[in-house]
Amino acid sequence: DTAVSQTPKYLVTQMGNDKSIKCEQNLGHDTMYWYKQDSKKFLKIMFSYNNKELIINETVPNRFSPKSPDKAHLNLHINSLELGDSAVYFCASSQVAKNIQYFGAGTRLSVL
Amino acid sequence: EDQVTQSPEALRLQEGESSSLNCSYTVSGLRGLFWYRQDPGKGPEFLFTLYSAGEEKEKERLKATLTKKESFLHITAPKPEDSATYLCAVQGPKMDSNYQLIWGAGTKLIIKP
Repeated sequence: DTAVSQTPKYLVTQMGNDKSIKCEQNLGHDTMYWYKQDSKKFLKIMFSYNNKELIINETVPNRFSPKSPDKAHLNLHINSLELGDSAVYFCASSQVAKNIQYFGAGTRLSVL
Repeated sequence: EDQVTQSPEALRLQEGESSSLNCSYTVSGLRGLFWYRQDPGKGPEFLFTLYSAGEEKEKERLKATLTKKESFLHITAPKPEDSATYLCAVQGPKMDSNYQLIWGAGTKLIIKP
């Protein structure tokens, strides 16, 4: 069983479209994260979320919004996609006390 | 400003040639330093956590060490399957309830047979 799974693995879309990426973890963790990894492989935190609190990186445009239907899911919704949004997006989860983060395989988003 | 710097950016070694990767950090009140491995097309995979200066952790051909300003990932007699990007991240003081990590840009390690 995959611990952290995200779908789709690849997403190709046109500028201006709205898209969502789904993430699920079966580890029983209390915190989930979304990261953006650019072409230079640098991981940038976008959001961290547990059932109490959403922490947003202030540099993330408000076109990006996380949605958590329950503790095991944290989806990423993106409005009005732009060329600069092209990147690999990773979902991760952890128990906040240990903060060892477990990552999904990534979603490669290409905006044309 | 809290920062993590990894060096070198890339490292090419022959199989069996031992070396070290460096992760230097500036963060007040370090709560933990993490090493991850990332293979192409995959997410980072956890390797080690170090919590205090002088601490060491080992796993197969990898050994991680920690001082007050930096961490080293030593690779002994590497094999081609050790080729990957190695990422370092630090956990600072509790600034929010989620103890967010600060990530370095990684070192791409290539081991030639």
